[in-house]
Amino acid sequence: AQTVTQSQPEMSVQEAETVTLSCTYDTSENNYYLFWYKQPPSRQMILVIRQEAYKQQNATENRFSVNFQKAAKSFSLKISDSQLGDTAMYFCAFMKGGGSEKLVFGKGTKLTVNP
Amino acid sequence: GAVVSQHPSWVICKSGTSVKIECRSLDFQATTMFWYRQFPKQSLMLMATSNEGSKATYEQGVEKDKFLINHASLTLSTLTVTSAHPEDSSFYICSASSSGGYEQFFGPGTRLTVL
Repeated sequence: AQTVTQSQPEMSVQEAETVTLSCTYDTSENNYYLFWYKQPPSRQMILVIRQEAYKQQNATENRFSVNFQKAAKSFSLKISDSQLGDTAMYFCAFMKGGGSEKLVFGKGTKLTVNP
Repeated sequence: GAVVSQHPSWVICKSGTSVKIECRSLDFQATTMFWYRQFPKQSLMLMATSNEGSKATYEQGVEKDKFLINHASLTLSTLTVTSAHPEDSSFYICSASSSGGYEQFFGPGTRLTVL
């Protein structure tokens, strides 16, 4: 079975600064996907970024980037130029390859961006 | 991105009654839908996976006779909480994916309160 571990229950950062959220996972699969989701106070789950395991290049989406270390099974999220709207719960998630598979979530990290 | 709706967004019911929550994919065919439960300040817990036209697959520990899931069409899945009790009070979230898709699109969630 796959597991996802987020070791930082809470983090805070000053506006405009950079913050990195940690995530490690355990799997014996070779084909899989990794995701970071954001859940603001509205509780709507929002996809922040995804990474295909077969891709060596780290995914980037504007201010959000990941550091994907496949051998170490590590998948951290870096948020640059933090904004107040980034305040939310962030969940790391794993999905086996093959399509229409279930997501396995970590416990989440509550990020607060301070003005 | 694809849109998934849930109805109702919140519901209050008396203990012993049944409540139905709908999950609709508005602009794509959702061959697979997932139902999650989320307690305050916790992660999403997968309850079941349903494929259109098939019986749902429930996660270990989830009572299939209590949480009835129907996925009768490619755009609609329903979760019925039967004989609801206060401990069933929670936030229920659905997500949907298309055939072979690796991305899940989340509904906005339904807050259930059982008195």
